[in-house]
Amino acid sequence: SYVLTQPPSVSVAPGKTARITCGGNNIGSKSVHWYQQKPGQAPVLVIYYNSDRPSGIPERFSGSNSGNTATLTISRVEGGDEADYYCQVWDNSDHGVFGGGTKLTVL
Amino acid sequence: EVQLVQSGAEVKKPGESLKISCKGSGYSFISHWIGWVRQKPGKGLEWMGIIYPGDSDTKYSPSFQGQVTISADKSISTAYLQWSSLKASDTAIYYCARREGGPAAMDVWGKGTTVTVSS
Repeated sequence: SYVLTQPPSVSVAPGKTARITCGGNNIGSKSVHWYQQKPGQAPVLVIYYNSDRPSGIPERFSGSNSGNTATLTISRVEGGDEADYYCQVWDNSDHGVFGGGTKLTVL
Repeated sequence: EVQLVQSGAEVKKPGESLKISCKGSGYSFISHWIGWVRQKPGKGLEWMGIIYPGDSDTKYSPSFQGQVTISADKSISTAYLQWSSLKASDTAIYYCARREGGPAAMDVWGKGTTVTVSS
C-alpha cells in the first residue's frame, strides 16, 4: 500500500516561513491535498491539487509537489497557524491515504 | 451553505452494535462521494472508506474491510457507518467528509462523532 511520510513536528518563529514535507514514492505523479486540524476541531482543507487554495484560506499558504516530495509552505507564520497538518492522496485503488501528520509549533 | 451534519456522541459496551450518520445539505448529495475517517485519541487521521450515494459504489481501506459497513440513503441525503460488534479499540472520533470525484480533495467535513466503547 502507498505510504506518506511526514516529520512529526516542525517549529518556527512568528513571521518566519514553515515548510512541512510529505514524502511518497513518485508522489509528484499524484494530486496532494493538505488539511489543517486545530485541537478539538475537524480537519479543514487548506491546499488541494498540490497548490490550489480554497476560498478563505490566506495566500500565506502554498503548496508544491515534485519527485518524491510534496511541500506545504506557510509564509509569515502566525500564532493561529499552530495546528496539526496532514497530507493526503488517493492510491491506485482509489483508497485514501493520509500522512502521519505534522505538529506545527509557533515559538 | 454546504454542510455535513453528523449524529451525536455515543457510549457503548463491547459487543454492541452501532450506526452513526452523516447528513448532507446544500449540494447534490448523489453527485459527491462521502468518506469516513477515524481519529483515535491523540493520534492521526485514518481513511476508512468511501461511498458514492448515487449508485452506492463503496470502497474500503484494507484495514477496515469486514470491520465496518458503509451505506447511504440518498432519499434522505444521509450516509452511515456501522459496526455489528464494537470493541474497545473502536473508541475514536469518526469524521465524514465530501469528495467530488477522481483525485479530488475532501473539501467539506462534518464536526465528527465521538464513539466511546467501554465496559
